[in-house]
Amino acid sequence: SQQGEEDPQALSIQEGENATMNCSYKTSINNLQWYRQNSGRGLVHLILIRSNEREKHSGRLRVTLDTSKKSSSLLITASRAADTASYFCATFNAGNNRKLIWGLGTSLAVNP
Amino acid sequence: DAGITQSPRYKITETGRQVTLMCHQTWSHSYMFWYRQDLGHGLRLIYYSAAADITDKGEVPDGYVVSRSKTENFPLTLESATRSQTSVYFCASSNWGLAGVVSEQYFGPGTRLTVT
Repeated sequence: SQQGEEDPQALSIQEGENATMNCSYKTSINNLQWYRQNSGRGLVHLILIRSNEREKHSGRLRVTLDTSKKSSSLLITASRAADTASYFCATFNAGNNRKLIWGLGTSLAVNP
Repeated sequence: DAGITQSPRYKITETGRQVTLMCHQTWSHSYMFWYRQDLGHGLRLIYYSAAADITDKGEVPDGYVVSRSKTENFPLTLESATRSQTSVYFCASSNWGLAGVVSEQYFGPGTRLTVT
């Protein structure tokens, strides 16, 4: 079963614009992770945020976590065509630490 | 080469045949995972392993068998392939993180399997 639900399912923007994707989940978590998948490739880990953290940055990526709303957002600033990919959130549940629970992903298209 | 590799990258097989997908990682990560990815379903966990000789079922284990005799290898076998097993299969590995919580996962390039 999927815990994370990304929103929107698809997003199309122009190069240079910011892209924001959201993820909602249902149960308590230890951490939430964001991954990127380029077409035809495996997933690549982007960033991990722990349940006691509210915001985290990595280069042009900013992730926020609101445990009271059970939601997270991924912001990509100054997007590039190379950011075109699918983005997935995944959570570790507090009671099941060994497995990630995945969302269905947001498909991002960055137009040159 | 360092990292996580999968073989074959593409496979076409017939219904009823046995197929084994290979996964090899060079990091000595404790955990290894097999996922399948299908449109509309996202990533679904088939089996995972916490260490050599320790495996456990995931969300969709029926029709699949795994083994892990060595830390670095985690083969996935489809005992009698069915058309519903046509999918892209990803292997991943991970290590222990803070306080025993598994940290980020590292994915292989995937195997695209078609069952005719």
